[in-house]
Amino acid sequence: NAGVTQTPKFRVLKTGQSMTLLCAQDMNHEYMYWYRQDPGMGLRLIHYSVGEGTTAKGEVPDGYNVSRLKKQNFLLGLESAAPSQTSVYFCASRSTGVETQYFGPGTRLLVL
Amino acid sequence: DAKTTQPTSMDCAEGRAANLPCNHSTISGNEYVYWYRQIHSQGPQYIIHGLKNNETNEMASLIITEDRKSSTLILPHATLRDTAVYYCIVRVAMRNRDDKIIFGKGTRLHILP
Repeated sequence: NAGVTQTPKFRVLKTGQSMTLLCAQDMNHEYMYWYRQDPGMGLRLIHYSVGEGTTAKGEVPDGYNVSRLKKQNFLLGLESAAPSQTSVYFCASRSTGVETQYFGPGTRLLVL
Repeated sequence: DAKTTQPTSMDCAEGRAANLPCNHSTISGNEYVYWYRQIHSQGPQYIIHGLKNNETNEMASLIITEDRKSSTLILPHATLRDTAVYYCIVRVAMRNRDDKIIFGKGTRLHILP
């Protein structure tokens, strides 16, 4: 049982490049989340999903897109990366009826 | 969600109990108190939560005052690996929409050898 995993762990992009971050969970959780954390700040919700095939916007969705084609995977896409998207990205999941979220190890993204 | 207030940082000697306070004076009756921690460069980790009764698990104990306006997270025998930022969060459980956790700045706990 690996819990929540994220790939890649670290990535450097040039402005304007695109990439996809992958989050995978093996706990059969319905809910999945993408957060970003900037230095010295708390986590901010980007997008979330309440089930396979559904997504919704969080606090800071602009510049990101997501997809949940399979229950166990939640993808976060950056179509045209900007330096303001330099951050650490965390994925989380939780089960229906349980409030506790389980977080992945994070992906560090640097946009030059 | 109710606002929480925590000290910015705390020190605790290794092997001693670490007591982390949290004020949440505007908590409402259906809001739970949650504690998460974030060890450097890792994702947040759930520790414990409670509504009004004291709670204990393998990681920590949570003491909630009778008026529910404050709580204390207790790590009974702190180790160096407990050095982390600890977040006290108050929120209504089981919400399905606009479901975000507001982490705030938390308390930076340093365990001293």
